Amino acid sequence: AQSVAQPEDQVNVAEGNPLTVKCTYSVSGNPYLFWYVQYPNRGLQFLLKYITGDNLVKGSYGFEAEFNKSQTSFHLKKPSALVSDSALYFCAVRDYGGSQGNLIFGKGTKLSVKP
Amino acid sequence: DTGVSQDPRHKITKRGQNVTFRCDPISEHNRLYWYRQTLGQGPEFLTYFQNEAQLEKSRLLSDRFSAERPKGSFSTLEIQRTEQGDSAMYLCASSLAQTIEAFFGQGTRLTVV
Repeated sequence: AQSVAQPEDQVNVAEGNPLTVKCTYSVSGNPYLFWYVQYPNRGLQFLLKYITGDNLVKGSYGFEAEFNKSQTSFHLKKPSALVSDSALYFCAVRDYGGSQGNLIFGKGTKLSVKP
Repeated sequence: DTGVSQDPRHKITKRGQNVTFRCDPISEHNRLYWYRQTLGQGPEFLTYFQNEAQLEKSRLLSDRFSAERPKGSFSTLEIQRTEQGDSAMYLCASSLAQTIEAFFGQGTRLTVV
C-alpha cells in the first residue's frame, strides 16, 4: 500500500536561514511525488513534482525538492526562508502504475518562519 | 478567476439533514477529484471522475455519500443523513489527463451540529 510520512509536525526556522521539510514515502512501483502548501482558510496550492529525470526539482516561490530513491525520501528545501513561507506543507505520492485518482497525502508539517 | 471554485464555502447543518456541495473545475480539465480533510490530517481521497465517468471510489465513501458529474463539467457531492463525523473540509481538485498535478479549490467546510 502507498503511504507518506512527514515525521515533523512543526518546523521552526529563522528568516533568512535555509529550511528543510522532510517526507518519506512507500509505493510498490515508481513514485510520482508532490509538494503542496496550504495557507489558513485556503485550498492547497501545488508547489512542485517529481516524475522522472533529475533528482533535484525546482518549483514555485524558490522551493526545491530532492528525490532520493535509496532513502525513499523527497525533502522540500529552500535556501533562504521568508516569513511569508509560514504555512502548512503536504507531501503526496501516487504510484506510477497505480490509480490515477488516489493521491496519498502526508499529515502535513507546519512551517513557522520567525523574523 | 479561472481556478477551481467550490460552493458553498461554509455549511452548518443539523445531524440527519442532507447537504450538497458543488465544484466547478478549471474548464479544460477533464479529471475531477473529491477529497476530505479533517483537522490535523492531510486530505483523504474520496472519489474521482474522468469526464462524466466516476472511475474510482474510496472505502471512505459510504453509501450516504454520492457524487455526480453529469456533463463532465461541474460536480456535486451529496451527503445524506449527515453525522457529526462528517464534519470536515471537503476539497475538490481538477487536472488534465496528460498531466498529473491537481489544482485544488478552497474547499467547503461542513459543520454538523
